[in-house]
Amino acid sequence: AQKVTQAQTEISVVEKEDVTLDCVYETRDTTYYLFWYKQPPSGELVFLIRRNSFDEQNEISGRYSWNFQKSTSSFNFTITASQVVDSAVYFCALSEANRYKIIFGKGTRLHILP
Amino acid sequence: EAQVTQNPRYLITVTGKKLTVTCSQNMNHEYMSWYRQDPGLGLRQIYYSMNVEVTDKGDVPEGYKVSRKEKRNFPLILESPSPNQTSLYFCASSFSYGLNEQYFGPGTRLTVT
Repeated sequence: AQKVTQAQTEISVVEKEDVTLDCVYETRDTTYYLFWYKQPPSGELVFLIRRNSFDEQNEISGRYSWNFQKSTSSFNFTITASQVVDSAVYFCALSEANRYKIIFGKGTRLHILP
Repeated sequence: EAQVTQNPRYLITVTGKKLTVTCSQNMNHEYMSWYRQDPGLGLRQIYYSMNVEVTDKGDVPEGYKVSRKEKRNFPLILESPSPNQTSLYFCASSFSYGLNEQYFGPGTRLTVT
């Protein structure tokens, strides 16, 4: 069955610290897609990154990086040198090629303290 | 500007009074979806649509209906709202299902008393 677990409900770090948000998924499909979305305090949902199951390359975008490991069914998100503007709820999501549902994790609320 | 719009943004209603939340996208996307967001539960998919006249249940469809008569519109209908449907609702669309990221509407905060 599809499942996405974000075990960290809430994290607080001081500005400039690095922080990693964990995402563990379950799927029986060999073809699937993983996503991260950001929900800032203003409430909108913003797409950050997607990965397909055949692409295990890690990705870096500025201060953001993502580590995809099929062996541990994880797709973790790291923010380097965090800033107050990174304060948000972050969601990990999974879609499988053979099903049309999309499953989100419960989200991790990240507080960056000045 | 490419966007997903939802109306109304805020709604307070009473139990049993039918309501519709509209959703429209201008990107010619095939896949559209409705989610509800509740504290501690994250985003849960209510219904989705693969294309015109093709809809199916998500994980929490009870108490909701949808229709997809045109590609751009995907209204969410609550025939007889109840207090447990008080939530923040998001409509989303994507070019197709699977690899493509979703674009989300601004959300509709619904309170049922």
